[in-house]
Amino acid sequence: GENVEQHPSTLSVQEGDSAVIKCTYSDSASNYFPWYKQELGKGPQLIIDIRSNVGEKKDQRIAVTLNKTAKHFSLHITETQPEDSAVYFCAATFMYSGGGADGLTFGKGTHLIIQP
Amino acid sequence: DSGVTQTPKHLITATGQRVTLRCSPRSGDLSVYWYQQSLDQGLQFLIQYYNGEERAKGNILERFSAQQFPDLHSELNLSSLELGDSALYFCASSRTLQGPSYNSPLHFGNGTRLTVT
Repeated sequence: GENVEQHPSTLSVQEGDSAVIKCTYSDSASNYFPWYKQELGKGPQLIIDIRSNVGEKKDQRIAVTLNKTAKHFSLHITETQPEDSAVYFCAATFMYSGGGADGLTFGKGTHLIIQP
Repeated sequence: DSGVTQTPKHLITATGQRVTLRCSPRSGDLSVYWYQQSLDQGLQFLIQYYNGEERAKGNILERFSAQQFPDLHSELNLSSLELGDSALYFCASSRTLQGPSYNSPLHFGNGTRLTVT
């Protein structure tokens, strides 16, 4: 099945600086790559996603880049703020055995800490 | 607010017991997914239902089962509970059968925290 590796597991940055989280995936057939933010006591919230025919997507202070050849994608957060502190998960689609539908495999998460 | 509703928020029970977790998907979503989140295993896919039918199975134990009802709400049943079943259980929903995609993203509820003592 699909394997998604996510690094780093913990990232501490000064408020106002940028943060980058990287993921690699194993299944070359993966075609959709969402990122989720999980705050304490809440479920993962979709913050940005990209499909395989797009190399980069930006939404205000967050951006995602995808390199299909290298099978890696990254989340970039600029001008970090205290409310960006959370756990971030990357994910990639994979085809269920038997075909017909896709599932999502998640990375293990990155705990982002914004230092004031 | 994702629109996915899960109850209860917290559940404390003893080993050997059986519990039922409930989920209502977002309005218009036909697919329901169940995930287990533990500290060491991350988010693990358990099972997917689409319009009342089981669609795919992940790492779901035989002691666990689920169903989706005609009104599209879903229940996850956990039986013969063990200490190791303590975890957060998330329900998520999407619009289509084909799974999460750019046009049909996956949205999560806030989970049920299960503690087995």
